[in-house]
Amino acid sequence: DAGVTQSPTHLIKTRGQQVTLRCSPISGHKSVSWYQQVLGQGPQFIFQYYEKEERGRGNFPDRFSARQFPNYSSELNVNALLLGDSALYLCASSWGNSGANVLTFGAGSRLTVL
Amino acid sequence: AQSVTQPDIHITVSEGASLELRCNYSYGATPYLFWYVQSPGQGLQLLLKYFSGDTLVQGIKGFEAEFKRSQSSFNLRKPSVHWSDAAEYFCAVGKYSGGGADGLTFGKGTHLIIQP
Repeated sequence: DAGVTQSPTHLIKTRGQQVTLRCSPISGHKSVSWYQQVLGQGPQFIFQYYEKEERGRGNFPDRFSARQFPNYSSELNVNALLLGDSALYLCASSWGNSGANVLTFGAGSRLTVL
Repeated sequence: AQSVTQPDIHITVSEGASLELRCNYSYGATPYLFWYVQSPGQGLQLLLKYFSGDTLVQGIKGFEAEFKRSQSSFNLRKPSVHWSDAAEYFCAVGKYSGGGADGLTFGKGTHLIIQP
């Protein structure tokens, strides 16, 4: 079975632009979470979506938004890009929210903002 | 607020030697505790997790971790490291095993270097 797939793998944007990152969860997984990993830091929680609804949000500005589609894939959007948005964006999926689940991470989308 | 501290930014170990990576956490309730590994250009791979029960947890790739409530620690160990263990290691804490609505809180990571 395919793992969590993310696209694009790398992209370069300029300040003020907008970016959309995509994530396909493991088949059967209904929860998708997004994390931002700045170079030299641990991942930081951005969003969790479960059954197509936003269930949780980390401490990120409103420039960050996301959605989950009926097939449980997800998109992360970032508007008005800042230099500080340069990071590896990780998507993770899990079957649900119960205690038996663990997160499976994708390889990430590396965003560079110039 | 929950937090995770990994005191060692870099650790260098000779191949075949034992390894211990330190993790201290702060959490108001009984948390799930995790160790993840990240190789260059890769996502995070779960090594092991702990919630309750036996305080010594076995994981993949020969890793184990010991939960010590009195010290708020969850240190990762391996008796004999291999060159392929060179990677970034992250300790994480969360209310739910799958992250849930609060997500997981990660430490800043420990970069493991293996000397031949």
